[in-house]
Amino acid sequence: NAGVTQTPKFQVLKTGQSMTLQCAQDMNHEYMSWYRQDPGMGLRLIHYSVGAGITDQGEVPNGYNVSRSTTEDFPLRLLSAAPSQTSVYFCASSIALTSGRAGETQYFGPGTRLLVL
Amino acid sequence: AQSVTQPDIHITVSEGASLELRCNYSYGATPYLFWYVQSPGQGLQLLLKYFSGDTLVQGIKGFEAEFKRSQSSFNLRKPSVHWSDAAEYFCAVGARNTGGFKTIFGAGTRLFVKA
Repeated sequence: NAGVTQTPKFQVLKTGQSMTLQCAQDMNHEYMSWYRQDPGMGLRLIHYSVGAGITDQGEVPNGYNVSRSTTEDFPLRLLSAAPSQTSVYFCASSIALTSGRAGETQYFGPGTRLLVL
Repeated sequence: AQSVTQPDIHITVSEGASLELRCNYSYGATPYLFWYVQSPGQGLQLLLKYFSGDTLVQGIKGFEAEFKRSQSSFNLRKPSVHWSDAAEYFCAVGARNTGGFKTIFGAGTRLFVKA
C-alpha cells in the first residue's frame, strides 16, 4: 500500500517559471490538502479538496492553483514561481468527512522540497 | 478563529528522562486535537488524537497526552525518552468549516535527546 506519494522530491526553479507538484493517494480518501512548511511557522494550509471536483482555499492560497479531477490525484500548480515560495510542500489525505466528524487522521506524503532562485 | 501555540521552540532531555511538550489552543467549541511527529526529511506521522471522552489519550511509541479544557491545553508526555524520539513534534487543532474541516498546526517543538 503506497499511501500518499509526492513527486518530485526536490526541485529548483527560476523566478517566473511554472511547475506542478504531484500528489496521489491510493486509500480512496475524499479529503486531500496541501501544506507548506517553513521554519518556525509549522504547516500552513494552502488549498484543500473534499472530493473530486471540489476545492477550496486555505490560509495561504495566493500564487497556487489546484484541481481535483479524480479521487486519487490532487496536483498543486505554481503559475509563476517566486522566491517566497521556497519551502517544503506536503500533501495529505484523510477519509471522507461525515456530518459531525471534524477531525479525521491525516496521512502525509514525504514532501517536496522546492527552491526558487 | 482557531490557533495553536507551542511555547517551546526546542527542548533537550537526557535519554531515559521524562518528557512533556506543551500545547495551548484557542477554539470556541470542543476542539479536535492532534499530536504529530516529524523525523528529519520525513512527512508527519500521527502520534495520538483527542475527539471526546477520556481526557488522557494514549498514542503510539509510548506517548500520551492530556486534554485540559480549563487550561486550553493538550500537553504531550512520555515517561522515558529514547534517542529515537529526537524529532520535531507538532500539535494541531481540527475544526469544521463550510464543506469540510481545517487543521491548524502549531509552529512545532524540536526535541533533542542527549546520551
